[in-house]
Amino acid sequence: AQSVTQLGSHVSVSEGALVLLRCNYSSSVPPYLFWYVQYPNQGLQLLLKYTTGATLVKGINGFEAEFKKSETSFHLTKPSAHMSDAAEYFCAVITGGYQKVTFGIGTKLQVIP
Amino acid sequence: DGGITQSPKYLFRKEGQNVTLSCEQNLNHDAMYWYRQDPGQGLRLIYYSQIVNDFQKGDIAEGYSVSREKKESFPLTVTSAQKNPTAFYLCASSNPGTGGNEQYFGPGTRLTVT
Repeated sequence: AQSVTQLGSHVSVSEGALVLLRCNYSSSVPPYLFWYVQYPNQGLQLLLKYTTGATLVKGINGFEAEFKKSETSFHLTKPSAHMSDAAEYFCAVITGGYQKVTFGIGTKLQVIP
Repeated sequence: DGGITQSPKYLFRKEGQNVTLSCEQNLNHDAMYWYRQDPGQGLRLIYYSQIVNDFQKGDIAEGYSVSREKKESFPLTVTSAQKNPTAFYLCASSNPGTGGNEQYFGPGTRLTVT
């Protein structure tokens, strides 16, 4: 079985500060990992994904994430927060051959001016 | 523009009535999904379909039904048997044959049942 844990349902950062959103996964086989962003009353938009290859993945809007197999983690970072980054972020995992994606419960990011 | 459309954006129904939520995609994706989103609970899978005329129950299928008669359409019916239907419903599609199987989401339908 696969699962995703997002530490911190709410995270607050100051504008210009580092953004770090944590995600740990559980999977018995090599995973595919995703980060999605959701703005209020909208659908989810893919930020980035890890499938194979380079473990540091760059996405849209200046976000990146690093796959660390030894730590079973896929944390999302951005060097400098912008007001427009305020949204809810979801980590997700899918394991090989599986059609279902398992989502974390989400982390709401607040950016303080 | 390719994408997923869901209609309507907001839907209000009286308790005891069935209601059907529309989901259409023009991405030529084989797989389609329905999720329910409640505050603090993330996304929970209701039903998914990998090909036309075939679909499987997800984690919370009770009180819901779907059909997949056309590749581009995957309507969800919320029946009167669903005990707590008020929620935000998201439809998604993907092409599992491509690397990663990332899902593309529609804008969602917010259903309120009173």
